[in-house]
Amino acid sequence: SQTIHQWPATLVQPVGSPLSLECTVEGTSNPNLYWYRQAAGRGLQLLFYSIGIDQISSEVPQNLSASRPQDRQFILSSKKLLLSDSGFYLCAWSGGWGATDTQYFGPGTRLTVL
Amino acid sequence: DAKTTQPPSMDCAEGRAANLPCNHSTISGNEYVYWYRQIHSQGPQYIIHGLKNNETNEMASLIITEDRKSSTLILPHATLRDTAVYYCIVRVGMDSSYKLIFGSGTRLLVRP
Repeated sequence: SQTIHQWPATLVQPVGSPLSLECTVEGTSNPNLYWYRQAAGRGLQLLFYSIGIDQISSEVPQNLSASRPQDRQFILSSKKLLLSDSGFYLCAWSGGWGATDTQYFGPGTRLTVL
Repeated sequence: DAKTTQPPSMDCAEGRAANLPCNHSTISGNEYVYWYRQIHSQGPQYIIHGLKNNETNEMASLIITEDRKSSTLILPHATLRDTAVYYCIVRVGMDSSYKLIFGSGTRLLVRP
């Protein structure tokens, strides 16, 4: 069966510091991968999605970037964090199997920028 | 912007059916309706999805109106562990770059 991992689970970072969040998927190959952010009490906002290695699309202009160095690894980064980057970051994967494709979410990383 | 509207909160008694409504009046003919739920501080959990026919799985049933402008998620016998935020989502796009646009969801409280 497929599993998705995210780390770290929680992170507290000062403003202006760099960021690296990691997401890995097991049990599948060539998945679509997604990064979402959830502000406190809000719904999820899609940040990036990737349909393959080095194929990444950005949904929202911001100081974040994403990379996919391996087929089942998705990394979210920032060179300098802002206070507004605080939130719950969720990675998701899907099989990309057409009209009924389903996204499955990881456990998330809670980021607090101070 | 989300293409769905949901009541912000609902409650039901444990053991009773929970019926969560969703309006999606601008849905297009080939757009699917998805339901997820999110228990506090966890990642969203997929529940069910459908296009025009009613769907049922081990977790829930999805009833979509004939005009497809609204749907209802039914949890037949709610338990305390079903307390969560439930998101109704219209999938936008048909190819591999499709998007799930989340709204604010319905906070369901199951009472003992």
